[in-house]
Amino acid sequence: DVKVTQSSRYLVKRTGEKVFLECVQDMDHENMFWYRQDPGLGLRLIYFSYDVKMKEKGDIPEGYSVSREKKERFSLILESASTNQTSMYLCASSFLGHRDEQYFGPGTRLTVT
Amino acid sequence: AQTVTQSQPEMSVQEAETVTLSCTYDTSESDYYLFWYKQPPSRQMILVIRQEAYKQQNATENRFSVNFQKAAKSFSLKISDSQLGDAAMYFCAYIGGGADGLTFGKGTHLIIQP
Repeated sequence: DVKVTQSSRYLVKRTGEKVFLECVQDMDHENMFWYRQDPGLGLRLIYFSYDVKMKEKGDIPEGYSVSREKKERFSLILESASTNQTSMYLCASSFLGHRDEQYFGPGTRLTVT
Repeated sequence: AQTVTQSQPEMSVQEAETVTLSCTYDTSESDYYLFWYKQPPSRQMILVIRQEAYKQQNATENRFSVNFQKAAKSFSLKISDSQLGDAAMYFCAYIGGGADGLTFGKGTHLIIQP
């Protein structure tokens, strides 16, 4: 079974802090994605990566950056957290084709106070 | 830009009955994939069913089937013999030919009445 894990289920941070959300997949998937989920808005793509050290902006990249130094790990970084970044963050991975099934992690619920 | 619309924020169905969740999308592409994902309460999102746009035959997975109307840009999900474990948020999603991630609808909260 594919396993996608995220470093924290719940996280509380203060405004202005630098925040790291970590995602690890164990199936040698090429593609990794970060989504943000908000009630009534569904999921929105923040960033994605098709290979190590490669990254592409999604629909809402402002205020976020990413890092993929190893194939299995994809990090989402909030350089200076703000209250409007309070949300559920979901990581996903897929094997090769970007239209393959995406496997999701359990999510990190981030609260910025 | 592609958009995905789920017009039913919430649906309720009696156990053992059939329910249909609606999804429409807007795209100028001819080659794309459509998905239904399920997110149970406090659990991970999982794929329910996938449809390739070039295939005319509707996808089915056990009790789950889709009605894919390409010309109408409609992609509804039918759940037969509803079970309590089907209670979840259901998201319709689209991905096109370019290098990109999924575009999701806003979701439909499905309630199963025992």
